[in-house]
Amino acid sequence: QVQLQESGPGLVKPSETLSLTCTVSGDSVSSHAWTWIRQPAGKGLEWIGRIYNSGPTQYSPSLKSRITLSVDTSKNQFSLKLSSVTAADTAVYYCARDYNGLAFWGQGTLVTVSS
Amino acid sequence: QSALTQPRSVSESPGQSVTISCTGTSGDVGGYNYVSWYQQPPGKAPKLMIYDVTHRPSGVPDRFSGSKSGNTASLTISGLQAEDEADYYCCSYAGSFLVFGGGTKLTVL
Repeated sequence: QVQLQESGPGLVKPSETLSLTCTVSGDSVSSHAWTWIRQPAGKGLEWIGRIYNSGPTQYSPSLKSRITLSVDTSKNQFSLKLSSVTAADTAVYYCARDYNGLAFWGQGTLVTVSS
Repeated sequence: QSALTQPRSVSESPGQSVTISCTGTSGDVGGYNYVSWYQQPPGKAPKLMIYDVTHRPSGVPDRFSGSKSGNTASLTISGLQAEDEADYYCCSYAGSFLVFGGGTKLTVL
């Protein structure tokens, strides 16, 4: 059974960099593609970006200038960095496996941007 | 990029059928057979219900079906049950990124 778990600070100051990690079990990050999605409270889902098995990345056009995705195959993890955050980046952040749809999701982690 | 257009809410009685639409453009829904649908109960992570327009993952009841015509994809739920009450989101490949719909709240009366 594939499982994903997000981890990282729940509170980030404005203008700083949000950093999250997704730990994968039951599959290898060297296979498929791995995706980040976020959801502000009471709002819809927003696709952030994805990284293909240790290689190419695709980013949301609206966030592209602030996103960095990476993979650590030794830890079976992939990570998100979002720079220059504002209150508008406050959301629940999800990681997911991207293969035949987003079939496996983490439980989500709330990140609040506030001083 | 603009979100795909979904009705904000739909409602129907148990046992009936309901269809949720998802309208995009030739640059996303109309251009690729990579539309997926997600069910999200309150406070929970989304669950994949349909991928690649019409395919159902293992474990999803066959009451759920997907289709596409032109720039509009649709999710149909037949034999509605109380447990189907949730938010539903469509998602489409758009060439170099994915885009979600705004979401539809399904109420089972």
